[in-house]
Amino acid sequence: AQSVSQHNHHVILSEAASLELGCNYSYGGTVNLFWYVQYPGQHLQLLLKYFSGDPLVKGIKGFEAEFIKSKFSFNLRKPSVQWSDTAEYFCAVNPGSNYQLIWGAGTKLIIKP
Amino acid sequence: DGGITQSPKYLFRKEGQNVTLSCEQNLNHDAMYWYRQDPGQGLRLIYYSQIVNDFQKGDIAEGYSVSREKKESFPLTVTSAQKNPTAFYLCASSTGWSSYNEQFFGPGTRLTVL
Repeated sequence: AQSVSQHNHHVILSEAASLELGCNYSYGGTVNLFWYVQYPGQHLQLLLKYFSGDPLVKGIKGFEAEFIKSKFSFNLRKPSVQWSDTAEYFCAVNPGSNYQLIWGAGTKLIIKP
Repeated sequence: DGGITQSPKYLFRKEGQNVTLSCEQNLNHDAMYWYRQDPGQGLRLIYYSQIVNDFQKGDIAEGYSVSREKKESFPLTVTSAQKNPTAFYLCASSTGWSSYNEQFFGPGTRLTVL
């Protein structure tokens, strides 16, 4: 079965630290890739997405993600986190053969001020 | 403000009762979705609707039912047949049924079965 793995369920960082959240998927064909974020008390919202082209995509609030096809990965990065980045981050993959999103379990990120 | 509203925010149900969760959107989106979220798990698709008067089962449709009589509304009924209904339920919509379309989410309803 197709699956999406987010290996870190909880991450705690200090402000200004660099962030990398892992996302791996199991589908071998063409994929569309997404990162969504849920800030405390807010709706789940799109952070960034990759469909094709440059494998390094930039999203809102200084986030970026790199698609590495050979590793089936779409890791999320930010060079310097802020307290306001405290949130839960979800990776989602559309395998392309249908239109259903397959979701990772999420990573809860806590930034210490 | 355009968006998706879900009500109620919290819902308590006794075993054996059916309950209906409301989802309304004013984004003029064709596609709507219902997800279930459990602790430590990703979102799982219950039902989706590509267009009015049409809907399809997702991965975990057993014990749930939906209707799509109006474009803006996609209510979810959790029936007594759902064996473990306590969860957080999220409704979403998108402009169309395409892998390229961003999904917009409501605030969710937390259902607890007593």
